[in-house]
Amino acid sequence: GQNIDQPTEMTATEGAIVQINCTYQTSGFNGLFWYQQHAGEAPTFLSYNVLDGLEEKGRFSSFLSRSKGYSYLLLKELQMKDSASYLCAVRAGGGYQKVTFGTGTKLQVIP
Amino acid sequence: NAGVMQNPRHLVRRRGQEARLRCSPMKGHSHVYWYRQLPEEGLKFMVYLQKENIIDESGMPKERFSAEFPKEGPSILRIQQVVRGDSAAYFCASSPRTSGRTGELFFGEGSRLTVL
Repeated sequence: GQNIDQPTEMTATEGAIVQINCTYQTSGFNGLFWYQQHAGEAPTFLSYNVLDGLEEKGRFSSFLSRSKGYSYLLLKELQMKDSASYLCAVRAGGGYQKVTFGTGTKLQVIP
Repeated sequence: NAGVMQNPRHLVRRRGQEARLRCSPMKGHSHVYWYRQLPEEGLKFMVYLQKENIIDESGMPKERFSAEFPKEGPSILRIQQVVRGDSAAYFCASSPRTSGRTGELFFGEGSRLTVL
């Protein structure tokens, strides 16, 4: 089985930086995704990491350490519209690789 | 270039009725996943299908739930004899493959089932 852990809720101030952590335990790891989901909407893709290191894409960056089973999503220059749930998802397995989601971190950006 | 299409967006059923949720993947995608999401919770994997094949249904309850992805037409998630606990948002996702960066999942807008 797979265990994926992330904080349930976080609050941050507009214009600030926030880091959302995700830890996982799995076998046959083959990639980690971050998705954003606004209330009542579909999840949308943010990032994909399969090798160790930092991937930067505009205001969002994602980091992966395979040896530690750890990832984080970094959001810079927070905007009110960034208030959403952020879902960490791991692809892993044997013959075919299922994508399993964590419970998500609900981020509230305050003025 | 339509995305993943799900219908109906909202469905109300009484206990004991059947619910059918449809999903048309993005053009060129042959992999379909169904997830269930309860309010304030994460996405729970239910089933993974390729055309005419169920690859993994480990997340789907053994009774009352079934899924198919026929050669022609959309994927269908069927819930028989619905109970109140089936009330949730059901998301379909598709991908062109299951590996690498291009194996990302593209989600539909979801079907919200309410059981009275």
